[in-house]
Amino acid sequence: AQSVTQPDIHITVSEGASLELRCNYSYGATPYLFWYVQSPGQGLQLLLKYFSGDTLVQGIKGFEAEFKRSQSSFNLRKPSVHWSDAAEYFCAAWGGSARQLTFGSGTQLTVLP
Amino acid sequence: DADVTQTPRNRITKTGKRIMLECSQTKGHDRMYWYRQDPGLGLRLIYYSFDVKDINKGEISDGYSVSRQAQAKFSLSLESAIPNQTALYFCATSDSQLAGGQGQYFGPGTRLTVT
Repeated sequence: AQSVTQPDIHITVSEGASLELRCNYSYGATPYLFWYVQSPGQGLQLLLKYFSGDTLVQGIKGFEAEFKRSQSSFNLRKPSVHWSDAAEYFCAAWGGSARQLTFGSGTQLTVLP
Repeated sequence: DADVTQTPRNRITKTGKRIMLECSQTKGHDRMYWYRQDPGLGLRLIYYSFDVKDINKGEISDGYSVSRQAQAKFSLSLESAIPNQTALYFCATSDSQLAGGQGQYFGPGTRLTVT
């Protein structure tokens, strides 16, 4: 079955530190891949997406993600985290036989001052 | 103005009541979706519609129904609400002309509590 896994339920980092959120997918072929952010009380906002080509994609708010086919991963990174980045982050995939977006269970990010 | 709007934003209702959640969009997208979000479970798809005459069940459609009144409007109904339908509900849209939908655009959510 097609699935998206975010192994970290909760991550805490200090402001200014680097960040990496993990995402693994299980699909027959490489799906389209997305990262969304959900701030408290808000809907989901698209951070970035990968379809093909360059495996390092840039998104909004200073985020980037790297696609690694060999590891079936699409990890989200940011060099220096700001307090405003505290939110829940969702990885998602579209592809295969499903005509729908499959979400991971989310990673809650806490940023310490 | 928001591209995807949901009404109401918050609703408390009693078990057994019928309730409708509404979604409108001004993005001109042909595809619309309803999801529910529960802590630790991410978002799960309830129903989706690829155009006005194409409505499909998602992963967790039992206890829900939908209506696509127009390309811009997609409503979700709970015919007889039960407490385990307490959740945050999101509407989303996408454009079929773009590969993989180029991602989906989400409304602000409706927090539904069934007592």
